[in-house]
Amino acid sequence: EDQVTQSPEALRLQEGESSSLNCSYTVSGLRGLFWYRQDPGKGPEFLFTLYSAGEEKEKERLKATLTKKESFLHITAPKPEDSATYLCAVQRGSNYKLTFGKGTLLTVNP
Amino acid sequence: DTGVSQNPRHKITKRGQNVTFRCDPISEHNRLYWYRQTLGQGPEFLTYFQNEAQLEKSRLLSDRFSAERPKGSFSTLEIQRTEQGDSAMYLCASIHKAQAETQYFGPGTRLLVL
Repeated sequence: EDQVTQSPEALRLQEGESSSLNCSYTVSGLRGLFWYRQDPGKGPEFLFTLYSAGEEKEKERLKATLTKKESFLHITAPKPEDSATYLCAVQRGSNYKLTFGKGTLLTVNP
Repeated sequence: DTGVSQNPRHKITKRGQNVTFRCDPISEHNRLYWYRQTLGQGPEFLTYFQNEAQLEKSRLLSDRFSAERPKGSFSTLEIQRTEQGDSAMYLCASIHKAQAETQYFGPGTRLLVL
């Protein structure tokens, strides 16, 4: 069975203080690893898809990387508006369904 | 239409009542997915459609749950004889037929069963 574990469960940063979120996964035949951002009371918002070990993608202050066992979401010089829950999910097989971790709740204080 | 829409956004019901949610996917998105999310957890897969065909159902989807996607357009998720444990956010997502893989989520329907 596919497993996704995210750490830490919660992270509090000061504005400008860079850090990383971790996503460890166990899946047979990974098709893709996805990062989403979720604001309270809203649906997940797509950020990145990573397909193979060594791949990196960037968007503004966010950079996602992938190894064979884990993915990292690096946040550089975060701002208060980056506060949200960040969800990691894996996808395999032809049905494209996602298996999510529990998420990391990020709070950035001004 | 630039995104997945879901209605209603919020639903409060009494235990034992039936509820129905609707999801309108993005135009030309042929795959549609339903997920359930409880507080502090990530979304959990319930079922998915390719066009009008329901191709997979999770074991989480008890016989009180039924989903349809007539004509391959919008989808409905019905819960019969609701229980307090059904309280959750119900999320819908869709995939474009050409872009594959990436699921775009709607805002969700928050259900509270009293």
